Amino acid sequence: EVQLVESGGGLVQPGGSLRLSCVASDFSLNSYTMDWVRQAPGKGLEWVSYIDTTSSNKYYADSVKGRFTISRDNARNSLYLQMDGLRDDDTAVYYCVRDFGMVINDYYYYRLDVWGQGTTVTVSS
Amino acid sequence: DIQMTQAPSSLSASVGDRVTITCRASQSISHYLNWYQQKPGKAPKLLIYAASSLQSGAPSRFSGSGSGTDFSLTISNVQPEDFATYYCQQVYTTRTFGQGTKVEI
Repeated sequence: EVQLVESGGGLVQPGGSLRLSCVASDFSLNSYTMDWVRQAPGKGLEWVSYIDTTSSNKYYADSVKGRFTISRDNARNSLYLQMDGLRDDDTAVYYCVRDFGMVINDYYYYRLDVWGQGTTVTVSS
Repeated sequence: DIQMTQAPSSLSASVGDRVTITCRASQSISHYLNWYQQKPGKAPKLLIYAASSLQSGAPSRFSGSGSGTDFSLTISNVQPEDFATYYCQQVYTTRTFGQGTKVEI
């Protein structure tokens, strides 16, 4: 079964760091752009970051730019999110997501088609 | 950055109703628009991509339309399992989600 499994969440104090991991099963991560999306308690979805297949291009939401770093290890079929300088408002469930691109009518379209179950990050003193 | 605005924020519907949710982008995004469904405590599921293409496995009562800045998701003949929160997402440049629309009984 195609799936993504996140780990690494937990309780951390403000200013601290965490590293989230995501392992893919039944598909090769190296063929896909990958994203992190988060959801604060009772709130909507917030896109956090994405990385292309070769790690050449990485993009971040303004809310995490300069504090979070996305990376991947295609040999380990794994995606990571290094989170530094954590703040209370980083508290959320973090989802690892496959970002699938395909050509439709000569244009390249992306969609987030496989989601992990999420890992919870709580930033609190 | 592109902002996505959904309307309404919530709505009430009955089984068998036809429901429409709208999504407006702050600038033109062509057809680079996806729709997701999320139930409490679960990860979101992709319903519609490229504004109007039905994701494999999604029920045919879901349909999407629109281009440029204005889009809509329609659920025809709402079923009990459709009560959930729906999000639009632009993938024209990086990614942005709308704030969500909760469909309640």
